[in-house]
Amino acid sequence: DVKVTQSSRYLVKRTGEKVFLECVQDMDHENMFWYRQDPGLGLRLIYFSYDVKMKEKGDIPEGYSVSREKKERFSLILESASTNQTSMYLCASSVYGTWRVRNTIYFGEGSWLTVV
Amino acid sequence: QKEVEQNSGPLSVPEGAIASLNCTYSDRGSQSFFWYRQYSGKSPELIMSIYSNGDKEDGRFTAQLNKASQYVSLLIRDSQPSDSATYLCAVNKMDGGTSYGKLTFGQGTILTVHP
Repeated sequence: DVKVTQSSRYLVKRTGEKVFLECVQDMDHENMFWYRQDPGLGLRLIYFSYDVKMKEKGDIPEGYSVSREKKERFSLILESASTNQTSMYLCASSVYGTWRVRNTIYFGEGSWLTVV
Repeated sequence: QKEVEQNSGPLSVPEGAIASLNCTYSDRGSQSFFWYRQYSGKSPELIMSIYSNGDKEDGRFTAQLNKASQYVSLLIRDSQPSDSATYLCAVNKMDGGTSYGKLTFGQGTILTVHP
């Protein structure tokens, strides 16, 4: 089974703090993603990475950065946390492929972040 | 227009009935379509994927795709209380001929199956 692990499940941080959310996958997937999920807004893509040290902005990258130094690990960084970043953050991974390869993404269990 | 649209519900059906969940999408170039189930406080779990027009069945679940109408649906037969969850429709975004697995999600439909 695919395993995507988010090490921090519940965090409470203060406004202005730097926050790191870590994600590890064990299936040698090339692609990794960070989404956030908010009531009424659904899941929105923050950043994704298709290779080590490669990253691309998603739909809502402002206020976030990412790091992918190793294939299995993808970190989301909130440089200066703000209250509007209170949310559930979901990491996901998938195998790389052309359109002929039917990709499926697998989610981690989620990290609930509260910024006070 | 939202890229992926679902009725937010809630949709309430009696146990044993068929639940029908609908989704429309705006990008005609979309190639892959997924249904995820999400229980409260949990992460989304893949239950169905469909890539070609027509029906795809897996146990009590049937996904239906109509690319001409840009419409995808999920039918749940013999609904059980354990099917009560939010169902997310997701569509694969393409960059040229390559899929990085980026998905665009609908807002989800809340399904309640009552005994």
